[in-house]
Amino acid sequence: AQSVTQLGSHVSVSEGALVLLRCNYSSSVPPYLFWYVQYPNQGLQLLLKYTTGATLVKGINGFEAEFKKSETSFHLTKPSAHMSDAAEYFCAVSPNNNAGNMLTFGGGTRLMVKP
Amino acid sequence: EADIYQTPRYLVIGTGKKITLECSQTMGHDKMYWYQQDPGMELHLIHYSYGVNSTEKGDLSSESTVSRIRTEHFPLTLESARPSHTSQYLCASSDAQGNEQFFGPGTRLTVL
Repeated sequence: AQSVTQLGSHVSVSEGALVLLRCNYSSSVPPYLFWYVQYPNQGLQLLLKYTTGATLVKGINGFEAEFKKSETSFHLTKPSAHMSDAAEYFCAVSPNNNAGNMLTFGGGTRLMVKP
Repeated sequence: EADIYQTPRYLVIGTGKKITLECSQTMGHDKMYWYQQDPGMELHLIHYSYGVNSTEKGDLSSESTVSRIRTEHFPLTLESARPSHTSQYLCASSDAQGNEQFFGPGTRLTVL
């Protein structure tokens, strides 16, 4: 069984500061990994994903994440926060078997950006 | 434009009413999903479908039912709404490999 842990249900940063949202997973084999963003009263939008290949993945809006197998982590970062980054962020995993994969979501982290 | 749609976006209804939440996608995807999300909480899978005439229950038990008569359409029905059904319902779809799910805007349901 897979599980996802997002450390910190709320993260607050100043505009222009580094954003770091943490995600750790538990899986018997390295899974596929995703970060989604959810703005108020909207659905989820994919930020980035890791399936195979380069472990540093770049996504939309300047975000990136690095898959670290030894640490079972997939932390999301952005060098400089914008006010528009304020949203809920979800880390998710699915089995690495291309067989009708189901996503398992973490509890989410609400990012607040202070002016 | 390929997209995934949900209607209504917001619904306030009385206890005991029958409701159907609509979800349609024009992405040509085989797989579709329904998630339930309480405010500020994680998503829980309640139903999924691998294709026409395929429906399965998800991880979270739900009193709702779904149907998949057409590839593009995956409605969710509550026969008798209760206040405990108050939540946000998100629909998603993915291709046959299912590695990336695309989400609709959600329906926020309030049962009085």
